[in-house]
Amino acid sequence: QQQVKQSPQSLIVQKGGISIINCAYENTAFDYFPWYQQFPGKGPALLIAIRPDVSEKKEGRFTISFNKSAKQFSLHIMDSQPGDSATYFCAASVGGSNYKLTFGKGTLLTVNP
Amino acid sequence: GAGVSQSPSNKVTEKGKDVELRCDPISGHTALYWYRQSLGQGLEFLIYFQGNSAPDKSGLPSDRFSAERTGGSVSTLTIQRTQQEDSAVYLCASSPDGLGQPQHFGDGTRLSIL
Repeated sequence: QQQVKQSPQSLIVQKGGISIINCAYENTAFDYFPWYQQFPGKGPALLIAIRPDVSEKKEGRFTISFNKSAKQFSLHIMDSQPGDSATYFCAASVGGSNYKLTFGKGTLLTVNP
Repeated sequence: GAGVSQSPSNKVTEKGKDVELRCDPISGHTALYWYRQSLGQGLEFLIYFQGNSAPDKSGLPSDRFSAERTGGSVSTLTIQRTQQEDSAVYLCASSPDGLGQPQHFGDGTRLSIL
């Protein structure tokens, strides 16, 4: 049973464009929703995270939008740059960030110059 | 400061052999996690250690997998009688105690079973 569904599997965006990655979850007990960025040969690195008491969180060019009723959340990358090319994973956990994460299958983002 | 360190970075072994993967968490982090990353499958939770509490082993796929954490610091993931489907990248993460603290990942061990 896949508890966090992520789409699309891959995404190609032109430099300066907006990249949008979506995730949907099933477990209503999830209360922490991070996004991780992973470059080839490296471990995932936390990009931004949100809790269900807010509908949006922005950090620089990265924004998480959260829709609790629809059980969906998304990552928006504004003014996408070639250096943003990486695999992005959404995740969720019960009991906050200090517990096991359930990950989506990832989105390979390519930003063309 | 040093991040999460994993060794070896790559491991190639024959089917049926036992392997040990090591994780050195960030100093002072009380929580330690192991995940498995298979091609096209995302990251799969394996096991979680928190301080002196009994570990959460609910993600271990079979009894061939085990892990220990000595002295609340270094952890070893052991896979006995390896199978080809065990080929994956094994990632370790650590985090400080308490809520609101993110998990920091190492770069993983890439395990290939011939």
